[in-house]
Amino acid sequence: DAGVTQSPTHLIKTRGQQVTLRCSPKSGHDTVSWYQQALGQGPQFIFQYYEEEERQRGNFPDRFSGHQFPNYSSELNVNALLLGDSALYLCASSGGLRGMWNTEAFFGQGTRLTVV
Amino acid sequence: GIQVEQSPPDLILQEGANSTLRCNFSDSVNNLQWFHQNPWGQLINLFYIPSGTKQNGRLSATTVATERYSLLYISSSQTTDSGVYFCAVEPRDNYGQNFVFGPGTRLSVLP
Repeated sequence: DAGVTQSPTHLIKTRGQQVTLRCSPKSGHDTVSWYQQALGQGPQFIFQYYEEEERQRGNFPDRFSGHQFPNYSSELNVNALLLGDSALYLCASSGGLRGMWNTEAFFGQGTRLTVV
Repeated sequence: GIQVEQSPPDLILQEGANSTLRCNFSDSVNNLQWFHQNPWGQLINLFYIPSGTKQNGRLSATTVATERYSLLYISSSQTTDSGVYFCAVEPRDNYGQNFVFGPGTRLSVLP
C-alpha cells in the first residue's frame, strides 16, 4: 500500500514565476490538506480539499490555490512567487470513512521549494 | 484560535537515556497526533491519541484531554531517535478541518 506521495521532491523557481506541486493520497483516503513549513518552524495549514471542493483555508493569500481531482489527488498552485515562499510544502491525507471526521492523517515526504 | 505549546524546545541526551516531551493546548480538541520529523523532512506518524495511553516499542504516549495536555515518552533512546518531534491537534471548533502544530521539540541523542 503506497503512502502519500508528492512530486517533485525539490524545485527551484525564480521570483514572479508560478509553480504547481502534486500529491497523491494514501489508498482509501479522500481528504487532502496542504501545509507550508518554513525552516525551523512547525507546519502551517494552507487549505484542505474534500469532494473536489476547498473545505477550509488557512491564513494564506489568494496566490495560493488548489485543486482536487476525482481520484482524490490534489495540486497546489502558487502564483507570483516571492522569496518568502521558499519552504517545505507538505501534503497530508485522511478520511475515507464518509461521515466520519476523526481519522488519522498521514503526510508525504514533502516538496522543498526554493525561490531565487 | 487554539494555541499549542511544546516543551522543552531542545533536548540533548546520551544514548540509553529516557525522556518526556510535553504538549499543552489551550482549547478542546477532537484529535491529537505525535510526529517525528526526520532530517529529510518526512513527518513520521508516532501516535494518533486524542485520549488515553498507547505504547509502541520504546515509545509511549498519554493524552489527558480534560486537562489539555499530552506526553510523549521515549525510553532507552537511540541516535536514530534524533530529529524534531511535533504535536498536532485538531481543534474541536474546526471539526474535521485541519491540524494546528506546536513549535516542536528538537531532540539530539549522542552516542
